[in-house]
Amino acid sequence: ELKVEQNPLFLSMQEGKNYTIYCNYSTTSDRLYWYRQDPGKSLESLFVLLSNGAVKQEGRLMASLDTKARLSTLHITAAVHDLSATYFCAVDMIQGAQKLVFGQGTRLTINP
Amino acid sequence: EAQVTQNPRYLITVTGKKLTVTCSQNMNHEYMSWYRQDPGLGLRQIYYSMNVEVTDKGDVPEGYKVSRKEKRNFPLILESPSPNQTSLYFCASSRGGVSGTEAFFGQGTRLTVV
Repeated sequence: ELKVEQNPLFLSMQEGKNYTIYCNYSTTSDRLYWYRQDPGKSLESLFVLLSNGAVKQEGRLMASLDTKARLSTLHITAAVHDLSATYFCAVDMIQGAQKLVFGQGTRLTINP
Repeated sequence: EAQVTQNPRYLITVTGKKLTVTCSQNMNHEYMSWYRQDPGLGLRQIYYSMNVEVTDKGDVPEGYKVSRKEKRNFPLILESPSPNQTSLYFCASSRGGVSGTEAFFGQGTRLTVV
């Protein structure tokens, strides 16, 4: 059974600081997705990582994938309040089938 | 506008009364899925479909049914709802396939079973 674990689950940080969210998974996969969810809203896709060593960046967010370590990271640079949200990683269990297993989510709060 | 539409957005029902949550996408996606979201558990997949008439169980299929008779629609059926099915439900669609693409999610349906 595939398990996907994120840490930390809760993160409170100040504007301007850097931090990293970790996503570990328990079985082989080379497809990992990051999503953002604002309170009371749906999920929005942030990154699609499809191979070992993949790195994607959008604004202050950068995601990477190490399939050998079964680890993905979401790095936040110089955080701003607008990035406050819950972030989920999800792993595709069966290549191409969209059988996604999600982590528990990391609730990120950025304080002025 | 490309979107995944779920209805209803909110539903309160009683134990045992059959209900259907509809999901429709206008992006011609092959793949569609249903998830439930519960606090502390993230999202868990209920069922997924890789094309018309092709469906398979996700991680928590008990108590749910689905059908995929048309490409755009993927309804979720609760034949006899119970209080432990009180949750926030999301439908999602994607192109999927070997290249792998992100899923697009509906607005969510908050279901309460009393």
